[in-house]
Amino acid sequence: DAGITQSPRHKVTETGTPVTLRCHQTENHRYMYWYRQDPGHGLRLIHYSYGVKDTDKGEVSDGYSVSRSKTEDFLLTLESATSSQTSVYFCAISARTNEGHEAFFGQGTRLTVV
Amino acid sequence: DAKTTQPNSMESNEEEPVHLPCNHSTISGTDYIHWYRQLPSQGPEYVIHGLTSNVNNRMASLAIAEDRKSSTLILHRATLRDAAVYYCILKRGAQKLVFGQGTRLTINP
Repeated sequence: DAGITQSPRHKVTETGTPVTLRCHQTENHRYMYWYRQDPGHGLRLIHYSYGVKDTDKGEVSDGYSVSRSKTEDFLLTLESATSSQTSVYFCAISARTNEGHEAFFGQGTRLTVV
Repeated sequence: DAKTTQPNSMESNEEEPVHLPCNHSTISGTDYIHWYRQLPSQGPEYVIHGLTSNVNNRMASLAIAEDRKSSTLILHRATLRDAAVYYCILKRGAQKLVFGQGTRLTINP
């Protein structure tokens, strides 16, 4: 199994509070991604990173920010959590992004905003 | 972006082969066909990918039509552990993986 650890695995938080989810990898892969998964929408890309301090937005980035100060860590922050951000969040890593390169996913973080 | 069409659900029996279809009639010449699966309560898992030729690995086989407008993921001998949602994804160059709804595969004992 690829060395990806997401923390926490489960979190319940209140509306309006800041939340940070962490993705840690031991593979030294360059690319890291945050997805969210909701019923009826499948997996949607929030943000991704193509190197230390290099990040970009995905299709559903509003309300989220990310940071990558080290190769191994990619943080996803909800500055002020809303109920619409209740979801399962998955981190993924890949060594390259060319056509044939596979991505490895973490186990997910289930976030509930009440 | 080229899209894929998969059946919402399929059912098969344990120890039998399973053929999961995927249509991608608007595929371009540089699109690779990727398959991922997601077991219950887990993150997606890479299964296989190909461009034009059929591909085999320890998990499955990928059969690609000659015109590349469709492909089939083949599980040669399904087990209960193969029950999952299977995603067929077209990927071009440095594009990010875009997941559709996939096919929910049920395996009967």
